Amino acid sequence: GAVVSQHPSWVICKSGTSVKIECRSLDFQATTMFWYRQFPKQSLMLMATSNEGSKATYEQGVEKDKFLINHASLTLSTLTVTSAHPEDSSFYICSASRRGGYEQYFGPGTRLTVT
Amino acid sequence: RKEVEQDPGPFNVPEGATVAFNCTYSNSASQSFFWYRQDCRKEPKLLMSVYSSGNEDGRFTAQLNRASQYISLLIRDSKLSDSATYLCVASSSGSARQLTFGSGTQLTVLP
Repeated sequence: GAVVSQHPSWVICKSGTSVKIECRSLDFQATTMFWYRQFPKQSLMLMATSNEGSKATYEQGVEKDKFLINHASLTLSTLTVTSAHPEDSSFYICSASRRGGYEQYFGPGTRLTVT
Repeated sequence: RKEVEQDPGPFNVPEGATVAFNCTYSNSASQSFFWYRQDCRKEPKLLMSVYSSGNEDGRFTAQLNRASQYISLLIRDSKLSDSATYLCVASSSGSARQLTFGSGTQLTVLP
């Protein structure tokens, strides 16, 4: 158990467009989901933490109006990169944890390239 | 200063070698610690948790020194399949249990 999927696995979009990335927990209820971003040869950086049914908590320096996070159900969270620019090109990874659980289960990541 | 610091490597070792990775963390309030493994263009996967008493899982041994805020990972009899980036991770307390990742140490095991 504890499988997390992400869709799409990779996406190329033009500058100025918006891209939505889905994160799903396939076999458990994820009360908390996390969104990370990883640039080449760098660490995973936490962007935001979202609890089901409430607004996401964004890390310092992450624009909440640019990176829209929705966690409307216990199995789905979405990250929308609005008005994407080339500097938003990165590897976006979500993770999910169960109610009361401490382990995070990671999705396979989404590679975003903005041209 | 980064919250979790690692030697980025790369470490290139022959098959069968023993290799050790070190990591330091700056947040003394960190509660839990882990080593993750990340293959190229893949998500990180939990390798093992790290305890003060030291813990071993097959060829892997992890150690935590809270006084020095230092974490280590030892890999014995390294295999080609051990080639990956190893991420040192600290976790905060509280229900959110946010993870703070080091930038990783790259290991290549050579035939």
